[in-house]
Amino acid sequence: AQKITQTQPGMFVQEKEAVTLDCTYDTSDPSYGLFWYKQPSSGEMIFLIYQGSYDQQNATEGRYSLNFQKARKSANLVISASQLGDSAMYFCAMRERYKLSFGAGTTVTVRA
Amino acid sequence: DTGVSQDPRHKITKRGQNVTFRCDPISEHNRLYWYRQTLGQGPEFLTYFQNEAQLEKSRLLSDRFSAERPKGSFSTLEIQRTEQGDSAMYLCASSLTDPGGVDFGPGTRLLVL
Repeated sequence: AQKITQTQPGMFVQEKEAVTLDCTYDTSDPSYGLFWYKQPSSGEMIFLIYQGSYDQQNATEGRYSLNFQKARKSANLVISASQLGDSAMYFCAMRERYKLSFGAGTTVTVRA
Repeated sequence: DTGVSQDPRHKITKRGQNVTFRCDPISEHNRLYWYRQTLGQGPEFLTYFQNEAQLEKSRLLSDRFSAERPKGSFSTLEIQRTEQGDSAMYLCASSLTDPGGVDFGPGTRLLVL
């Protein structure tokens, strides 16, 4: 069964606008972590933001925020004030115990 | 702290040859992971080490694949008798015990001709 689902294969966003990337997950473990990574065309996986399952508040890191809805098993990434450099593939991932499982990714293209 | 490093960054080999990749994790990280990523897909888990112990191997890791982490420091991933289907990006990552982030290296791109 798929543990991480990203339903948006690709998205276009206008520069300076916000974009929301969807992610739903499936786990029966009460303790888990949710991650978002950015992968530009160079291939490097860049860590963006982390949310622990017991964290009460949504995580934020600069222009990135994670909209964590635990009951719905949803962990959407919001990128505010998009920049051309944000064009990349974005992966949602979940860690249960030690293993990180990834979704299929969403390609974001920022238009000038 | 220079992050996770991998060597080589690119490897082209002929089918049937053996290849070995190296990963140097962040020095204080006790967990080390190998992932494989094909074009347009998310990374797939291959194997996990805690210190020098290999605690899990994916079914994706056939008998031709072997990984080691001697002394709990760097790790090597060897692929024997490479096949064209082995062409992929091989990513190494490391982390501390929970909680915390998982840091990835730049990856090794393998092309099997």
